[in-house]
Amino acid sequence: SQELEQSPQSLIVQEGKNLTINCTSSKTLYGLYWYKQKYGEGLIFLMMLQKGGEEKSHEKITAKLDEKKQQSSLHITASQPSHAGIYLCGADGGATNKLIFGTGTLLAVQP
Amino acid sequence: SAVISQKPSRDICQRGTSLTIQCQVDSQVTMMFWYRQQPGQSLTLIATANQGSEATYESGFVIDKFPISRPNLTFSTLTVSNMSPEDSSIYLCSVESGDTEAFFGQGTRLTVV
Repeated sequence: SQELEQSPQSLIVQEGKNLTINCTSSKTLYGLYWYKQKYGEGLIFLMMLQKGGEEKSHEKITAKLDEKKQQSSLHITASQPSHAGIYLCGADGGATNKLIFGTGTLLAVQP
Repeated sequence: SAVISQKPSRDICQRGTSLTIQCQVDSQVTMMFWYRQQPGQSLTLIATANQGSEATYESGFVIDKFPISRPNLTFSTLTVSNMSPEDSSIYLCSVESGDTEAFFGQGTRLTVV
């Protein structure tokens, strides 16, 4: 079965610093989702990547899917306290339409 | 996009009792899923809620423990039966909208005492 590994597991950065979160799959990715989860809230969809080499940006968050489609990175530029939360990558299970998730990265941003 | 209303948002329950979680979507969707997130862990799929037929359960989850209803294309319920402290988790419903996005409810934070 497919597994997703995220790194780092947790991250503390100073406000204004850049950071990167990685998501590595044991199998080829056919759809890779990035979500953000905050306490008391549901998962917030950030973006989806499907094509090898694809890159998408939303405000100060950029996500890339590598050419081989087995790894994705999420990069936050000039981090702010509002970026704090748990970031989860999810992979499309293919024909089943099920998503599997990485273990999550807990991000704290210190003012 | 789909807007999902999940309730209750949180509950504290006595062991041995059951809790039913509701998931209402503002549009008709084909696929609805129920996930569990145990403390410190990632999301785990419990089952796929099928409209008009029995839910499809993942390995490790059974209908007697997690009965699911899906009476129509906009609504589903998940019941956590005969609860024990190990059932303390966040439960999330999710829907597929088209081929590009999956949407999640706000989650139900369950504590079993």
